[in-house]
Amino acid sequence: DSGVTQTPKHLITATGQRVTLRCSPRSGDLSVYWYQQSLDQGLQFLIQYYNGEERAKGNILERFSAQQFPDLHSELNLSSLELGDSALYFCASSVVDGEKLFFGSGTQLSVL
Amino acid sequence: GQQVMQIPQYQHVQEGEDFTTYCNSSTTLSNIQWYKQRPGGHPVFLIQLVKSGEVKKQKRLTFQFGEAKKNSSLHITATQTTDVGTYFCAGGTGANSKLTFGKGITLSVRP
Repeated sequence: DSGVTQTPKHLITATGQRVTLRCSPRSGDLSVYWYQQSLDQGLQFLIQYYNGEERAKGNILERFSAQQFPDLHSELNLSSLELGDSALYFCASSVVDGEKLFFGSGTQLSVL
Repeated sequence: GQQVMQIPQYQHVQEGEDFTTYCNSSTTLSNIQWYKQRPGGHPVFLIQLVKSGEVKKQKRLTFQFGEAKKNSSLHITATQTTDVGTYFCAGGTGANSKLTFGKGITLSVRP
């Protein structure tokens, strides 16, 4: 158990819909990262938050947004979903930038 | 931007054989990390290397950071079926920098 909690584990939805993925980092970790994993693209970095503020942006689509709340949990919002958004979404946390990441068990999103 | 490359993406070995894979960066790294993801699981941190030429061992796994800090290797001695999974390397370029992950190499082991 990494200490990072992600909910839900599975999500099935239809094209055009909006979903919210939730992540609770390890106790004491201030950094939260979101990654998208698909078969052919590996682990794609989406966005990072540090202590409530956006720290770095990766290949995140404009239809996607995220935020980190005062209690340090984070939510990733995916809207106007397309078939190609189907993937495994991981949240990870670390104490500080560049340190080892602790990954949650992921949310498997299926867009039908 | 920075690129971290792992080629090939898949490798199949016979149980008991040795296995080596490489990770190459387009830029000089400050540190490199390795992660393992078991089938159906999530990436788990294995090790971090920070010094030029550094070698670290974990049981049958040997990790090395290149002298120029632009590449790294993972060597597994006498593979076992428990070694099955995808191994990712991830490079950092300085203090407080985000990690860039390679695409990973998926290792399968024939019993």
